[in-house]
Parts: sequence; C-alpha cells; structure tokens
Amino acid sequence: QQPVQSPQAVILREGEDAVINCSSSKALYSVHWYRQKHGEAPVFLMILLKGGEQKGHEKISASFNEKKQQSSLYLTASQLSYSGTYFCGTEISGNQFYFGTGTSLTVIP
Amino acid sequence: EAQVTQNPRYLITVTGKKLTVTCSQNMNHEYMSWYRQDPGLGLRQIYYSMNVEVTDKGDVPEGYKVSRKEKRNFPLILESPSPNQTSLYFCASSPRLAKNIQYFGAGTRLSVL
Repeated sequence: QQPVQSPQAVILREGEDAVINCSSSKALYSVHWYRQKHGEAPVFLMILLKGGEQKGHEKISASFNEKKQQSSLYLTASQLSYSGTYFCGTEISGNQFYFGTGTSLTVIP
Repeated sequence: EAQVTQNPRYLITVTGKKLTVTCSQNMNHEYMSWYRQDPGLGLRQIYYSMNVEVTDKGDVPEGYKVSRKEKRNFPLILESPSPNQTSLYFCASSPRLAKNIQYFGAGTRLSVL
C-alpha cells in the first residue's frame, strides 16, 4: 500500500532542476508532499486533490494525475536549502495515511 | 507558539521494560497520529486518533498501544519493547478538516537493547 518514489536519491548542483515521482497501486484521493531536513521533523509542503491540479510553492511545484495514480514534484533552479528527504503521502481509505519511502535530495554548490 | 511536543527525545531501554512516549499538541487538533521511521522504509503509521476516545490501527500497530483521554495528548505505549522496535518515532497532529496537513513533533529516537 506504500507509495513508490523514484529516484531514491539525487544529487544536484545549485540551479539545476529535479523531478521526484510518486506512484500508487491504489486509487488516490489526494497526494501530499513533505520535506524532512537532516535531523529534523517532516514539514508539510503542499497537498494536491483530485482533478489533475498543479500547485506551486516558491520554485517547487507538483502535479497529480489521478488516472495514473501518480504525482510528481518539480524543483526548479534548486537552492542549497532544498536539500533534504522528500516524502509523498497518500490518504487511500478512511483516515489512514501512507508515506513513500522517500527521496534524498542533495544540492551542492 | 503552535507545536507538537514529544518526550523524551532520546531513550535507551532494555527488552521487556515498559515505556511510554508522550505527545502533546497545543493547536486543538482533532487528528493525531504516531509514525515510525526506519532507513529505506520511510514513515509508517502505527496508530491514529480522530478525536478523544477514538483510536484506530495504522499500518504497523503490533507491539504498540495508544490512548486518547484528552484532546491534546496522545501517548504511545510499548508494553514489552523488543529490539525490532528500535526506531525514530514521530507524533503528528492535524485539524479534522485538513487531516493531510500534519504538524510533526521533533521525534523520539528509541533504542531497545
């Protein structure tokens, strides 16, 4: 039931772009994205609801394709502060949440 | 300041010795949840609570208990800890109408010897 994220890890230079994918074998009601910096708690970034919407947060945006049960997180012109582990999360049924295994993103100067 | 507070932050214990990790939130949130985080496995939900006296199992509830006697508190109880419960634990809370937007505590790193 756990969403699958890819890639598992990515290293970028400042200013480069990255895409993190999240897919589920179950129908999705919504997808949410969190970022966890090393040694800290996860922090909510954004939520996407049914309808194929796309949302943005600074230079980080995301899309949600409910038919394909997939979501993608786009990081453009990456900054050092973007480093961390990104998790997608889904609410598949009822009030239970499942998170992906995470994607480690490292931005280097 | 709005926050979710977990205690203790670090805990080393021995197999079989009962322990409780406390979680308290000051945002009047209805929904609270416990997760464990293990390398390569991401965050996995242990238990959650929709409101006072309403709790339910998450994905990995075996070996854990919870209670929700007050809205602000949601303690995690390990009656007889085992080494496979060595992990990083997070408590989270969110409002009923925005359950997806969860606020996480700072985490509790537990080692069971």
